[in-house]
Amino acid sequence: DAGVTQSPTHLIKTRGQHVTLRCSPISGHKSVSWYQQVLGQGPQFIFQYYEKEERGRGNFPDRFSARQFPNYSSELNVNALLLGDSALYLCASSLGTPQPQHFGDGTRLSIL
Amino acid sequence: QKEVEQNSGPLSVPEGAIASLNCTYSDRGSQSFFWYRQYSGKSPELIMFIYSNGDKEDGRFTAQLNKASQYVSLLIRDSQPSDSATYLCAVKLEGGTPLVFGKGTRLSVIA
Repeated sequence: DAGVTQSPTHLIKTRGQHVTLRCSPISGHKSVSWYQQVLGQGPQFIFQYYEKEERGRGNFPDRFSARQFPNYSSELNVNALLLGDSALYLCASSLGTPQPQHFGDGTRLSIL
Repeated sequence: QKEVEQNSGPLSVPEGAIASLNCTYSDRGSQSFFWYRQYSGKSPELIMFIYSNGDKEDGRFTAQLNKASQYVSLLIRDSQPSDSATYLCAVKLEGGTPLVFGKGTRLSVIA
């Protein structure tokens, strides 16, 4: 069975640009969460979606937004990119919100 | 503020030894506890989860939870060089809440 898939794998943007990251959960998983991981730190929670509804939001500015589609895939959007947004963006899926989360390979975003 | 604390390491152990990784958490209401392994440049991989006090064993891995002491640990028996990675401890308050991660402990198994 396919795991969590994320695209693109790598992305280079400049300050002020906008980016869209995509995630397809494991088949049958209805919950998707997004995390940001900077070098040397653990992942930090950004958003959680379950059945297309936002179930949680971390301490990130309004430049960050997300949505979940009817097929349970998800997009993370970041506007007005800053140098500090450079990080590994991870998507995780689970059967439901209490269940263990499984991570995709991530999107490495570099801001120049 | 919910906090999860781990020693950053590196923790160096010889091949074949037991590696012991420790994690403490601040929120006494935490209910679910997870260990992820992350190789350099890769994403976290779930290796163990535990919900109840006591020990849970899976192959060479044992997770130990002590809610009274707000402490969770991971033991790796017969450590192999392939176990060299960063181990992330993650905690959930209750079912629907997000994971709160520690910074991770870097483990180095020396052949």
